[in-house]
Amino acid sequence: SQKIEQNSEALNIQEGKTATLTCNYTNYSPAYLQWYRQDPGRGPVFLLLIRENEKEKRKERLKVTFDTTLKQSLFHITASQPADSATYLCALDMSGGSYIPTFGRGTSLIVHP
Amino acid sequence: DGGITQSPKYLFRKEGQNVTLSCEQNLNHDAMYWYRQDPGQGLRLIYYSQIVNDFQKGDIAEGYSVSREKKESFPLTVTSAQKNPTAFYLCASTPTSGLAGELFFGEGSRLTVL
Repeated sequence: SQKIEQNSEALNIQEGKTATLTCNYTNYSPAYLQWYRQDPGRGPVFLLLIRENEKEKRKERLKVTFDTTLKQSLFHITASQPADSATYLCALDMSGGSYIPTFGRGTSLIVHP
Repeated sequence: DGGITQSPKYLFRKEGQNVTLSCEQNLNHDAMYWYRQDPGQGLRLIYYSQIVNDFQKGDIAEGYSVSREKKESFPLTVTSAQKNPTAFYLCASTPTSGLAGELFFGEGSRLTVL
């Protein structure tokens, strides 16, 4: 069956360091992958989309890589700040092009001052 | 301001009662979705609609119903047949059905069954 895996354990880092979150998937070759941020009790907010023919994408302090051979995406936040503390979700379209995103469970990031 | 509005934010229901969650968007988006989120879980798709007057079941549609009579509105009814309805419900939309794009989410509705 198709599966998306994100580290269920919270990631604790010190302010100023780079946070790296992982999204692994199996049994599918998605055309693109998305990352969202979710704060407690709020709806997710879109951050970045990366397509299968893109190796890397950047937006301000955010960087996403997409390795279709490893079936893995890495999400980096450089110079992390306590305000970056949230849960980060990856999403893939596993519907064969009908755009029905499937979400991972998310990884909680805690940035300590 | 454009966006997605979900109401109510908090809702309490007695067992055996149906309840309807509202989702309205003024973004002129074609596709709309309902997801359910349980603690420590990812978002699970309940129903989605890519065009007015048409909708499809997602992975966990049992015990839920929807309608899409207007482009702006996609209400979700949680029926008494849903055995474990206590959860956080999220509505989302995207600009063009069938193409890659970001999902815009509402602020969610938290349903608690007493």
